[in-house]
Amino acid sequence: SAVISQKPSRDICQRGTSLTIQCQVDSQVTMMFWYRQQPGQSLTLIATANQGSEATYESGFVIDKFPISRPNLTFSTLTVSNMSPEDSSIYLCSVGGNTNTEAFFGQGTRLTVV
Amino acid sequence: AQRVTQPEKLLSVFKGAPVELKCNYSYSGSPELFWYVQYSRQRLQLLLRHISRESIKGFTADLNKGETSFHLKKPFAQEEDSAMYYCALVDRGNTPLVFGKGTRLSVIA
Repeated sequence: SAVISQKPSRDICQRGTSLTIQCQVDSQVTMMFWYRQQPGQSLTLIATANQGSEATYESGFVIDKFPISRPNLTFSTLTVSNMSPEDSSIYLCSVGGNTNTEAFFGQGTRLTVV
Repeated sequence: AQRVTQPEKLLSVFKGAPVELKCNYSYSGSPELFWYVQYSRQRLQLLLRHISRESIKGFTADLNKGETSFHLKKPFAQEEDSAMYYCALVDRGNTPLVFGKGTRLSVIA
């Protein structure tokens, strides 16, 4: 199993500012995933973060808006840049979830942009 | 493209009644299917996966490849089953899960 610590758990931010979300795993993992869960919607994958290489972004998400760092095998950050109210959402980091392991999730970051 | 459909946003049942949460998927290969659950104020966690063919907390789910479905069932609902349930699939190792939109189950005493 994996225990994921994600912070902050929530924040209220002014539009135009940026917020960095941190995700710490208690074991070394190859891939970490960042999801967004907008109100009333499902989890949508933002990007896959591999250690030592650039993150791979899904359609509709770009590095300038959601820069990701992955400095080592236990840590990753996601930044939500130049925020607007449309960015208000829950952001989740996750590890695992392939055919051999279950996925583990952080507790999520509830972001409100005003 | 992979897709997971959960047609019901909200399902309300009385305690002791049977429960069925529907999940259909669209995928050309042979995916692995999962059910994840999120109880109030808790993080998302795995409930069960189709390859293990086990019953967890009284819930079962059978993969029907002909109907491309993976419905979650429980014969007698309990109040503590009230939660958000997500159906998800993955197509191969180290690829991320694809989630349905989720169904909120409310069990009424």
